[in-house]
Amino acid sequence: DIQMTQSPSSLSASVGDRVTITCRASQSISTYLNWYQQKPGKAPKVLIYAASSLQSGVPSRFSGSGSGTDFTLTIRSLQPEDFATYYCQQSYTTSLYTFGQGTKLEIK
Amino acid sequence: EVQLVESGGGLVQPGGSLRLSCAASGFTFSSYWMHWVRQAPGKGLVWVSRIDSDGSSTSYADSVKGRFTTSRDNAKNTLYLQMSSLRVEDTAVYYCVRDGPPGVFDYWGQGTLVTVSS
Repeated sequence: DIQMTQSPSSLSASVGDRVTITCRASQSISTYLNWYQQKPGKAPKVLIYAASSLQSGVPSRFSGSGSGTDFTLTIRSLQPEDFATYYCQQSYTTSLYTFGQGTKLEIK
Repeated sequence: EVQLVESGGGLVQPGGSLRLSCAASGFTFSSYWMHWVRQAPGKGLVWVSRIDSDGSSTSYADSVKGRFTTSRDNAKNTLYLQMSSLRVEDTAVYYCVRDGPPGVFDYWGQGTLVTVSS
């Protein structure tokens, strides 16, 4: 099974900061990596798919990069509405999908 | 507008059964793979199962294999999750999710809470 490990597990930052979250796969997954944002009490929302493609309607301050085993989600100039939990997810294996454990982004 | 509306959650005793439903609208349901994803209280997201567009192929997480069955009725635009031999650790919000660009979970329902407790 492919394991996904995110770091950090939690992060404090201020409005206007640039933030980077990393996700590492236990084996190569090419660019089959997606990022989701979840706010309390709400369903997750896809931000980035195929490692670096921005989902329609998602602000351009969000970006993704990486391939193989190492990936990053970057939020340029944090806005108040960006404070949430972020998850990576691999879709390399269509018989067993896995999420990272999540990164909680909090206001400093 | 794409909508996914789950129903069927509730309180069930350990060892019991429950069937979740997900009513889909706003898109051609029969063209899309669908998933169930769950989230235990205060915990992260866990993929549960996948079904392909015509229902001929399914996959399950190891933790539910042999106990849960995913099916669909494309005539009724509805996805199902039949859960049996339920355990306390199955307690979670269960989300119905559309697979858009392959492997991308692009639309999610609001979730339905399943509580397994005596």
